[in-house]
Amino acid sequence: EVQLLDSGGDLVQSGGSLRLSCVVSGFIFDSCAMSWVRQSPGKGLEWVSIISGGGGYTYYGDSVKGRFTISRDNSRNTLYLQMNNLRAEDTAMYYCAKSPTGYSDARKKTLKYYFDSWGQGTLVTVSS
Amino acid sequence: QSALTQPASVSGSPGQSITISCTGTISDIGGYNYVSWYQHHPAKVPKLIIYEVNNRPSGVSHRFSGSKSGNTASLTISGLQAEDDAHYYCSSYTSRNTLLFGGGTKVTVL
Repeated sequence: EVQLLDSGGDLVQSGGSLRLSCVVSGFIFDSCAMSWVRQSPGKGLEWVSIISGGGGYTYYGDSVKGRFTISRDNSRNTLYLQMNNLRAEDTAMYYCAKSPTGYSDARKKTLKYYFDSWGQGTLVTVSS
Repeated sequence: QSALTQPASVSGSPGQSITISCTGTISDIGGYNYVSWYQHHPAKVPKLIIYEVNNRPSGVSHRFSGSKSGNTASLTISGLQAEDDAHYYCSSYTSRNTLLFGGGTKVTVL
């Protein structure tokens, strides 16, 4: 059974830092791209970042680029999100999410930007 | 980048069919067949119901179907049931190697 357990959410002051973790099991971790998706209170879903299975490719949403860093440790089956210079608007439930194996376009090595399993979410609150 | 455009709400009676639209641009929906749809019930995690425009993951009801025309994608729910009462989000890959979500549509089963 695929399981994603995200953690690390906390109350932090504006300008502070936080690292989220997502420990996974039940699938071959390094074969799957992984993402972080967030949902602010009363708002919709917002994609944050994606990392390829081997970790060599990373992409970010405009609102977090330059402040957040996604990484993974395939030996520990763990995904991370380092969040720096946090702002009030970063307050949200953060979900780690798994993409199916493979590429959407193998020739262009386009990652699969859709998610077949999700963690239960970890809450980040940034106080101003 | 702006979110994809979805209607805020759609409603229907049990047994009816409803369609949710999702409008983007040539740089996202119009340029790629990488549109997905998610169903999100309160206090639960989002569930993938359509990927790559019109593909259903195993276990997802055949009542859900997806399509695309130009810069607009659509999700149709046929034979509406009480359990379909939820929020629905579209998403699309973009030319900048990012992902955009729609603002979400609340489906109410009357």
